[in-house]
Amino acid sequence: DAKTTQPPSMDCAEGRAANLPCNHSTISGNEYVYWYRQIHSQGPQYIIHGLKNNETNEMASLIITEDRKSSTLILPHATLRDTAVYYCIVRVRDTGNQFYFGTGTSLTVIP
Amino acid sequence: NAGVTQTPKFQVLKTGQSMTLQCAQDMNHEYMSWYRQDPGMGLRLIHYSVGAGITDQGEVPNGYNVSRSTTEDFPLRLLSAAPSQTSVYFCASSYLSLHSSGANVLTFGAGSRLTVL
Repeated sequence: DAKTTQPPSMDCAEGRAANLPCNHSTISGNEYVYWYRQIHSQGPQYIIHGLKNNETNEMASLIITEDRKSSTLILPHATLRDTAVYYCIVRVRDTGNQFYFGTGTSLTVIP
Repeated sequence: NAGVTQTPKFQVLKTGQSMTLQCAQDMNHEYMSWYRQDPGMGLRLIHYSVGAGITDQGEVPNGYNVSRSTTEDFPLRLLSAAPSQTSVYFCASSYLSLHSSGANVLTFGAGSRLTVL
């Protein structure tokens, strides 16, 4: 199973870009990288996903290295509402839709 | 469009009691799953289902039963509750067939907080 490694916590100043790293050195060729976030005790919320190319949507950007062994989620202008736990997930190959969450990165946006 | 609905939101049980956490989705998703989240920890997969009549175990299935009689519902049963099952439980669903982007997106419910005394 492809595993991910994330720093347990990070701080970011309000209005600045938040760059959340994730290592997934054992990722397989057809596995996607997903990012979710969980605000307080709510259900996790999908942010973005990618395979090889960099991706951008209204919430964030995802930068995946060329060797696909790591990625970075970028929140371009962090707000206080972005304070949450961010999970980087690699979908396990050949096991359908099972998503295995780690402990994520707790991001605190500081005023 | 309600999405994923979990009931109850809060429940207190005594050790040995049984109960069922309900999960319903109205998005016609084939895939449904249950996670538990303990303080300071991430989500751990308990059971999942890829369609009516089909269920399988996740990472931490012991002490829990599931069934999938309809596409919409995926209840989680605790037959004999233990204090170790005190947790927040999340239900999630998604389409099974790959999205045109090649990926699947899970939609989560709001969670059910269970305390076993």
